[in-house]
Formats: sequence, C-alpha cells, structure tokens
Amino acid sequence: GENVEQHPSTLSVQEGDSAVIKCTYSDSASNYFPWYKQELGKRPQLIIDIRSNVGEKKDQRIAVTLNKTAKHFSLHITETQPEDSAVYFCAANSGGSNYKLTFGKGTLLTVNP
Amino acid sequence: GAGVSQSPSNKVTEKGKDVELRCDPISGHTALYWYRQSLGQGLEFLIYFQGNSAPDKSGLPSDRFSAERTGGSVSTLTIQRTQQEDSAVYLCASSSGQGLAVIGEQFFGPGTRLTVL
Repeated sequence: GENVEQHPSTLSVQEGDSAVIKCTYSDSASNYFPWYKQELGKRPQLIIDIRSNVGEKKDQRIAVTLNKTAKHFSLHITETQPEDSAVYFCAANSGGSNYKLTFGKGTLLTVNP
Repeated sequence: GAGVSQSPSNKVTEKGKDVELRCDPISGHTALYWYRQSLGQGLEFLIYFQGNSAPDKSGLPSDRFSAERTGGSVSTLTIQRTQQEDSAVYLCASSSGQGLAVIGEQFFGPGTRLTVL
C-alpha cells in the first residue's frame, strides 16, 4: 500500500521567514495530494491540494509543488505569521483511489514572534 | 451551515468495556470516514462509507472495531472490550462524494478523545 513520509517532524521559524515541509510517497498511481492544518485542540482543515496534472499551485502565502518523477511534494509558506503555528499533515490517495488517503505523521510548525 | 459533529467529545472508560462513538456528517454528504489519531502520529484510516455501497473496512485494526451508518447519514463506531492501546482521538470526516471518480476535500469533525484506563 501507499507509504507517505513527512519531514521535518518539528519546525521552528521566526515571524516573516519562510517554512518548507516535504513529503514523499511510494505509490506511483497516486494523483491527489492535499495538505491539512490542525491547530492545537482543533479539527484538521484543508488548506491546499494539488493534483498530478500540475506541478505547482499557489494560494496567497501558501504554495505546493509536486515532482511526480521523484514522488515528492512540498508545502511552502511565505511571510509566516504566529497564526500559522499548527500541525501540518500531507496526504496522498492510495493507488489513485477516489476516496482513500494515506497521511504523513505531521509537522509541528512554530512561528516565533 | 453546520459542520461535522461528533459525540461525546471525551470518553473515559475502563479496560474491557464497550464504547460507542457517534458522528453526524454534513447534510447531503454521501461519503463518511473514520480515522484514528494517536499522539504524535498521523491520521490512520479506519473505515469508509459511500452511499449504499459496501463500506471499505480495510483499516479497522481488529475485529473488536466495527462501524455502521444508518440511513446514509449518522454513523456509529463501536469498540468492544476496549484495550489501553485503543486510547486515541477518533475523527470522523465527510465529503460530498459529488464526483465518485474524483477525490475531494474531507471535512473533519472535532473528534472524540477516548481514554482507556
């Protein structure tokens, strides 16, 4: 089955700096890669997703890049703010499934004021 | 509108007891998921329901775990003879299932924190 590895497990940055979180996946049939943000004590929420027909997607300060050949994708957050502090999870759909996601173990991002 | 709701928010039980966790998905969402989130771990897929189709139970860790979805809406996750390793946050999610050929956003509930003593 699908295996998703996420790095780093923790990341601390200064406000205004950029943050990058990287994930690798094992199943070449995967074609959907969402990122979820989970603030402390809250539910996970989708912040951005990318499908395999594009290499990059941006939404304001957030961007995701996908390298299908290398089977890795990354989340980029620019001009970080304290409210960006949360756990971020990457995921990939298993075997091109139209419903089943395999999640990484998460990255705890801390943005220091 | 109302999001996904779950009850109870917290459940403390003794080893060996049975527990039931409830999920109310977003109205009209045909797809419903259960996940388990242990400390420092990602979200572990447990089970998936889509409309009237047979559920995908491939993620259930043992036969002590079962789930049902009545009337295509509310779902109940049951854990029998609970063990300490069952302690975790159990998250429910729903999605519109609008495109059965295309996977899309999952909307999560607040979770039920289960503690087995």
